[in-house]
Amino acid sequence: NAGVTQTPKFQVLKTGQSMTLQCAQDMNHNSMYWYRQDPGMGLRLIYYSASEGTTDKGEVPNGYNVSRLNKREFSLRLESAAPSQTSVYFCASSEEFWGGNYGYTFGSGTRLTVV
Amino acid sequence: KQEVTQIPAALSVPEGENLVLNCSFTDSAIYNLQWFRQDPGKGLTSLLLIQSSQREQTSGRLNASLDKSSGRSTLYIAASQPGDSATYLCAVMSGSRLTFGEGTQLTVNP
Repeated sequence: NAGVTQTPKFQVLKTGQSMTLQCAQDMNHNSMYWYRQDPGMGLRLIYYSASEGTTDKGEVPNGYNVSRLNKREFSLRLESAAPSQTSVYFCASSEEFWGGNYGYTFGSGTRLTVV
Repeated sequence: KQEVTQIPAALSVPEGENLVLNCSFTDSAIYNLQWFRQDPGKGLTSLLLIQSSQREQTSGRLNASLDKSSGRSTLYIAASQPGDSATYLCAVMSGSRLTFGEGTQLTVNP
């Protein structure tokens, strides 16, 4: 019963390098999300995908791109990493019903440092 | 824009004490409210989910209540234990967004 799996768990990048954070869920959820967590700013939504083939911007999308590869997988790409993107990144998924959802399930996070 | 506030920001209690964590939100048009626990350096673990039509949910020593009209939720922890030490996050689902508070850092001292 894996839930939401994120890889890698830790990563150090040099400014300007690119990388992709991977996320997969095995709960057959329609919706998937990427958040970043920073001290004093809480969790902020970067991008989300309400269903396979759709993606939408969240609160802080600049500098990121996403791909909903299939129903299970939702990746986050940093094309040219900047020190301001040093953060902990969380992937989450949820299943909706009309007027709400059944709650969110989060992965264990990716700790990214950009030097 | 939905805003979520959690009070207190930090709380230190002796083992065995009953305690209450508070969460308030500005827009009462919510679908649900979820309480999470986060241990240092770890991910978020869901504790309780309260749908907008519900008033409370219970799981073991945890009880969460929801008062939509006043924009408030409380998380009650009975007979606290050192293993309860963690950051507790409240999150509100409204529109298509989940908005988080900044959390209450709880320390339970043996």
